Amino acid sequence: AAGVIQSPRHLIKEKRETATLKCYPIPRHDTVYWYQQGPGQDPQFLISFYEKMQSDKGSIPDRFSAQQFSDYHSELNMSSLELGDSALYFCASSLGGDGYTFGSGTRLTVV
Amino acid sequence: GNSVTQMEGPVTLSEEAFLTINCTYTATGYPSLFWYVQYPGEGLQLLLKATKADDKGSNKGFEATYRKETTSFHLEKGSVQVSDSAVYFCALSNLTGNQFYFGTGTSLTVIP
Repeated sequence: AAGVIQSPRHLIKEKRETATLKCYPIPRHDTVYWYQQGPGQDPQFLISFYEKMQSDKGSIPDRFSAQQFSDYHSELNMSSLELGDSALYFCASSLGGDGYTFGSGTRLTVV
Repeated sequence: GNSVTQMEGPVTLSEEAFLTINCTYTATGYPSLFWYVQYPGEGLQLLLKATKADDKGSNKGFEATYRKETTSFHLEKGSVQVSDSAVYFCALSNLTGNQFYFGTGTSLTVIP
């Protein structure tokens, strides 16, 4: 069965650079969620989209933005990167809040 | 508000020992409850879930029962294996399914 695809798997950026993370949800899933998991931490909710509209917002910094496109894939844009942004970023998708499935994550390292 | 309180780790057990990881929650209404497992260097994998009171989720020998009266969803396994070594997260989803709330995770190490 198709799963949630995230790219890239690993990303290394320097401070103050910009990063873009991509998420491709399970086909026909209408909702996408982004989470950030710092080293040794539990995942923290960032933002979610339902039918291409932002549906909920968590602890997402102003330097970050996200959107969901017409094909339902989503991108998380992160600007002015800081060392503290180094984390594992998870995307998840669901159909109307059901069948919640996580991707394998993108590990971002800011140096 | 919604929150999850999870038994702190790390937990170290011998192979074939009995496992319990406690999880209690605070939520508005009747959320769905989940256990996720994260193996070293990997993403979150759904282990089991329960969507209403008294439901029992089970998978790979793990079980958890949704207890509304005690607001708990404890994870149990009768006989752990070395391959069960991982971090286990208890989580709940809010009523609209827009957001997950995770516990802090419990690291389990199973030694031969």
